[in-house]
Amino acid sequence: QVQLVESGGGVVQPGRSLRLSCAASGFTFINYAMHWVRQAPGKGLEWVGLISYDGRNEYYADSVKGRFTISRDNSKNTLSLQMNSLRAEDTAVYYCVREAILTGYYNYWGQGTLVTVSS
Amino acid sequence: SYVLTQPPSVSVAPGQTARITCGGNNIGSKSVHWYQQKPGQAPVLVVYDDSDWPSGIPERFSGSNSGNTATLTISRVEAGDEADYYCQVWDASSDHYVFGTGTKVTVL
Repeated sequence: QVQLVESGGGVVQPGRSLRLSCAASGFTFINYAMHWVRQAPGKGLEWVGLISYDGRNEYYADSVKGRFTISRDNSKNTLSLQMNSLRAEDTAVYYCVREAILTGYYNYWGQGTLVTVSS
Repeated sequence: SYVLTQPPSVSVAPGQTARITCGGNNIGSKSVHWYQQKPGQAPVLVVYDDSDWPSGIPERFSGSNSGNTATLTISRVEAGDEADYYCQVWDASSDHYVFGTGTKVTVL
């Protein structure tokens, strides 16, 4: 069965960096675009960004562009989110999400990992 | 950037029908997807491409989309339908994915 397992969350000071990972299994990873979606405590869902199936294309929300970088290793079935210059408003649960092929919607989500930016 | 607006809350009695709207400029020209999120859980897709169901989702969940409003309808509401619901689209003009503001459905 499809599994997406995030890791790497924790408490980090403002201005510092953190790297999240997502281990994918149960499907052919290289066939799918992958996304990160976040949710601040008590708030709604916010799209963070995506990487194409082959890693050649990346798109980011305006709120993280220039600070966050998404990458993938198709040989290891892993997705990563490098977060630099973190701010208090980046505090959220971060979800690794699989987009159904060429559809624009998400059919599988990880359980999420909490990132807290605080001094 | 493209904005999707939902009512913050909807209340409904068991067995009745809940309707959740999602407003956006010419949203009828886009494919709208809906997610259900229960406390402490990841979202789950309940309707895709305006009105289709993923496997395992009851047909009590249905969707429509026209003009500037998309609607998720939950028929014969059950206590287990109490959750937050989000609409979502892909905005081709910006290549961004957009979520609605979310609606909390309360079953009375």
